[in-house]
Amino acid sequence: GDSVTQMEGPVTLSEEAFLTINCTYTATGYPSLFWYVQYPGEGLQLLLKATKADDKGSNKGFEATYRKETTSFHLEKGSVQVSDSAVYFCASLAGNNRKLIWGLGTSLAVNP
Amino acid sequence: GAGVSQSPSNKVTEKGKDVELRCDPISGHTALYWYRQSLGQGLEFLIYFQGNSAPDKSGLPSDRFSAERTGGSVSTLTIQRTQQEDSAVYLCASSSRTGRTTEAFFGQGTRLTVV
Repeated sequence: GDSVTQMEGPVTLSEEAFLTINCTYTATGYPSLFWYVQYPGEGLQLLLKATKADDKGSNKGFEATYRKETTSFHLEKGSVQVSDSAVYFCASLAGNNRKLIWGLGTSLAVNP
Repeated sequence: GAGVSQSPSNKVTEKGKDVELRCDPISGHTALYWYRQSLGQGLEFLIYFQGNSAPDKSGLPSDRFSAERTGGSVSTLTIQRTQQEDSAVYLCASSSRTGRTTEAFFGQGTRLTVV
């Protein structure tokens, strides 16, 4: 069945460091892909998305490119800030029933 | 309303009691999900409603859990004979079926504590 695998955390970085959080998927067909973020004490919210191969989603300095050949959607940011500390979830949406499939989440802590 | 609304926001209940959690999705959204998030854990899928189709109940952890969606809108998640391991944040999300850019919008969740 469809699945999403993302790197385990926690990830701890210093401010202005480069961030990569890996996400790979398995799906029949071509799913839409999403990154959601959950800031401390807040609800889940969409960070960025991509709907077809080679699309790049971007928001708040974060980017992720839909790579069909490697079935990946890695999240990157060139220079993280303390305010980026949160849990990041990768998700895919595919299939006739259009059910969201989620990764387990990656916790990011950015130290000043 | 403008977003997904869940109630109550917090619920403390005694072990063995039944609880009902409510989700009011965004108007017009045909898809509705229930998830459970335990402390420090990821999202655990519980149940998925899509329009008039039979719900996907494959994530419900036991027969103590049930959910319904009346009139294709409001949904209620019921937990019978609650146990301490049921303590978690229960999240509801809704999305529109149309288009490939469909994103899910989440409510703030109901924090359930079973004592």
